[in-house]
Amino acid sequence: DAGVTQSPTHLIKTRGQQVTLRCSPKSGHDTVSWYQQALGQGPQFIFQYYEEEERQRGNFPDRFSGHQFPNYSSELNVNALLLGDSALYLCASSRMEGYGYTFGSGTRLTVV
Amino acid sequence: EDQVTQSPEALRLQEGESSSLNCSYTVSGLRGLFWYRQDPGKGPEFLFTLYSAGEEKEKERLKATLTKKESFLHITAPKPEDSATYLCAVQARGGSYIPTFGRGTSLIVHP
Repeated sequence: DAGVTQSPTHLIKTRGQQVTLRCSPKSGHDTVSWYQQALGQGPQFIFQYYEEEERQRGNFPDRFSGHQFPNYSSELNVNALLLGDSALYLCASSRMEGYGYTFGSGTRLTVV
Repeated sequence: EDQVTQSPEALRLQEGESSSLNCSYTVSGLRGLFWYRQDPGKGPEFLFTLYSAGEEKEKERLKATLTKKESFLHITAPKPEDSATYLCAVQARGGSYIPTFGRGTSLIVHP
């Protein structure tokens, strides 16, 4: 049973560029949440998608956007990258009413 | 606003030296409290869910307990492979069910 799959695993981008990260949820899960984790910090909630709509959003600017597809997979897009966007981006899947999340291994984004 | 505070930030133990990690929380009605283990550069790995005060769960050398204000992760006779960051998160009732995470405790177990 495949868990949560994220791609790519590592990415280096230049300030001002745009990036797209991808996530396939665990089988049986219909909800995808994205978190940003800076070095030495806990994961910070970006947004959550359910039924192809953004259901909840954390305290992140509009440069961060996302999408969920009919097969429940999801993308995270970040525009106009800043150096401070360098972090580990985590995707977590769950059932909408479920307890606890299953996390992927993350995408390490470095902005130079 | 839900808040989670973990202490200590870092902990160094000798192999076999038991200790406890603390997670203090403020939430408007607890739906669930979660413990995760995270290895460097990896995603968090689920350990336990606790739902109500007095509940305890165990897995190998780890035991998690819950009160109305805090949770403890007890590590008995740790081994070097227990070295990781341990994250605590809380999920509130009647809301978005979005877990709020603490900053974690970085545990290093020396052989």
